[in-house]
Amino acid sequence: DQQVKQNSPSLSVQEGRISILNCDYTNSMFDYFLWYKKYPAEGPTFLISISSIKDKNEDGRFTVFLNKSAKHLSLHIVPSQPGDSAVYFCAALSTSGTYKYIFGTGTRLKVLA
Amino acid sequence: SQTIHQWPATLVQPVGSPLSLECTVEGTSNPNLYWYRQAAGRGLQLLFYSVGIGQISSEVPQNLSASRPQDRQFILSSKKLLLSDSGFYLCAWSPGSGRHQETQYFGPGTRLLVL
Repeated sequence: DQQVKQNSPSLSVQEGRISILNCDYTNSMFDYFLWYKKYPAEGPTFLISISSIKDKNEDGRFTVFLNKSAKHLSLHIVPSQPGDSAVYFCAALSTSGTYKYIFGTGTRLKVLA
Repeated sequence: SQTIHQWPATLVQPVGSPLSLECTVEGTSNPNLYWYRQAAGRGLQLLFYSVGIGQISSEVPQNLSASRPQDRQFILSSKKLLLSDSGFYLCAWSPGSGRHQETQYFGPGTRLLVL
């Protein structure tokens, strides 16, 4: 059973426009949600996180929105830049019991110049 | 500041040979430590995690094992590698408590090719 899902394997966006990456989850016990960016043959880089008690967190060009009733979160990148082209993973964490992160399968973003 | 090291960066090993990948974290104490594997074109699969010295939780039954001999050292091992062990192995750490307790940081990864 996949608790964290990224249903879009890929996304192409024009430079300067908004990129919206989506993530759905099934476990209402998750306390935090995180987004990572990954280039080939490198470790994922942490981008932004959000606590389950909030519905929005913003850091520069990156904003994460959380809709708990829909069990859905999204990452907005505005404006998109060619350097943003990478695979983006969402992850969820429950801090009660195990400290185990559950990752989605990733979305490959391509920003077209 | 905290730093995570992983080595080697690349490894080519024959089937049936042993494996030892090492990960160390600097600049923090009592971190939670993790080993993940990313197979080609796939997501991140959690293999092991540890919340303290000698405390290892295994997520996937396989021929791999993990050990945490010191607070900031995490080792991934195998006695006999299989072809299916090929992949990109990532070590990660998280504070587990305190400010930004939820943030997990990854090492640079080790690319393992079993032939």
